[in-house]
Amino acid sequence: AQSVTQPDIHITVSEGASLELRCNYSYGATPYLFWYVQSPGQGLQLLLKYFSGDTLVQGIKGFEAEFKRSQSSFNLRKPSVHWSDAAEYFCAVYSGGYNKLIFGAGTRLAVHP
Amino acid sequence: DGGITQSPKYLFRKEGQNVTLSCEQNLNHDAMYWYRQDPGQGLRLIYYSQIVNDFQKGDIAEGYSVSREKKESFPLTVTSAQKNPTAFYLCASSTQGHTEAFFGQGTRLTVV
Repeated sequence: AQSVTQPDIHITVSEGASLELRCNYSYGATPYLFWYVQSPGQGLQLLLKYFSGDTLVQGIKGFEAEFKRSQSSFNLRKPSVHWSDAAEYFCAVYSGGYNKLIFGAGTRLAVHP
Repeated sequence: DGGITQSPKYLFRKEGQNVTLSCEQNLNHDAMYWYRQDPGQGLRLIYYSQIVNDFQKGDIAEGYSVSREKKESFPLTVTSAQKNPTAFYLCASSTQGHTEAFFGQGTRLTVV
């Protein structure tokens, strides 16, 4: 069955430090992959997506993610974190067979000044 | 402005009552979705609809019902059969093929 695993439930970084949020997926075919961000009490906003082509994708707010087929991973990175990046981040894979998005459990990011 | 509107933002329900959450989109999207969000569990799919007058159960459909009479609207009813309805509910929409999903701002339902 298709699934998405985000191994880190909580991550704390200092402002200005680099960030990497991990995402592993289980999907038989070429995956469509997404990263979303959610501020408290709000909906989800798309950060970036991967469908095909270049395995390093750029998104909004200075985020990027790299698709690694051999590792079934789609990790999210940012070179320098800002306090406003504190939020919850969700990785998702589109399941074509079921025509739906499958989400990971999320990673909550805290940023220390 | 195009987008998805969920209402109300906060909803309180007495035990044994049915309540309906509204979701409207003006993005001309064919597909619409309802997710439930609980702390530490990510988003779980309740129902989804790929086209008007058609919908499918998601992973946790028990105690919920939906309708899709118009392309723009996909209301969710939380029935008294849902034993633990307190949660944050998110509606989303997308084009066919699910290139990406656009989300509403959510409705927080609390049973009192």
